[in-house]
Amino acid sequence: DTGVSQDPRHKITKRGQNVTFRCDPISEHNRLYWYRQTLGQGPEFLTYFQNEAQLEKSRLLSDRFSAERPKGSFSTLEIQRTEQGDSAMYLCASSLSLRTLNNYGYTFGSGTRLTVV
Amino acid sequence: GQQVMQIPQYQHVQEGEDFTTYCNSSTTLSNIQWYKQRPGGHPVFLIQLVKSGEVKKQKRLTFQFGEAKKNSSLHITATQTTDVGTYFCAGRGNEKLTFGTGTRLTIIP
Repeated sequence: DTGVSQDPRHKITKRGQNVTFRCDPISEHNRLYWYRQTLGQGPEFLTYFQNEAQLEKSRLLSDRFSAERPKGSFSTLEIQRTEQGDSAMYLCASSLSLRTLNNYGYTFGSGTRLTVV
Repeated sequence: GQQVMQIPQYQHVQEGEDFTTYCNSSTTLSNIQWYKQRPGGHPVFLIQLVKSGEVKKQKRLTFQFGEAKKNSSLHITATQTTDVGTYFCAGRGNEKLTFGTGTRLTIIP
């Protein structure tokens, strides 16, 4: 297993266009998280899945954002009608969470850097 | 909502000096994790603390979790150029991690 993979690494899009990012987590991990990071800030939580179920979405996540994790494997994050304020690094992470043990750190991917012009 | 703050925001030290970053949460945490992010990189998991008052060491790094489980610290002894990066604490209140604001460490050779 080569860790968490994200595609693409960079995306430049015009304002108003839709974009979709993909994340392939570590196969043994049952949890998948999406975070957003802007320059000089810590990662900001967007949403997370346990297997295929989306369990929580940030209140900061507008209706233009949607995430899926079909079959509990890879995940996609779509942003519709992009705005300049959406420019950021979008990080995906995965972890293993068991009923008896919930102390595994997150493994992050290298991220997708989105620039909206 | 839960907020996690870190101080200082920036720290410049001479190589060989010690470094400490402090983390404070607005709510009691079930556990706290620390991550390191190198310039241009992504966060990398360092350690998790679970118990009140817990202290863990990794070579030159010492991590502490406060008695009230609302604060934590990371201390690096005798910094090296490889320690450069931003150090984030991340608190787990419910099921997800809330990351702190980070402390960016630069080393003067």
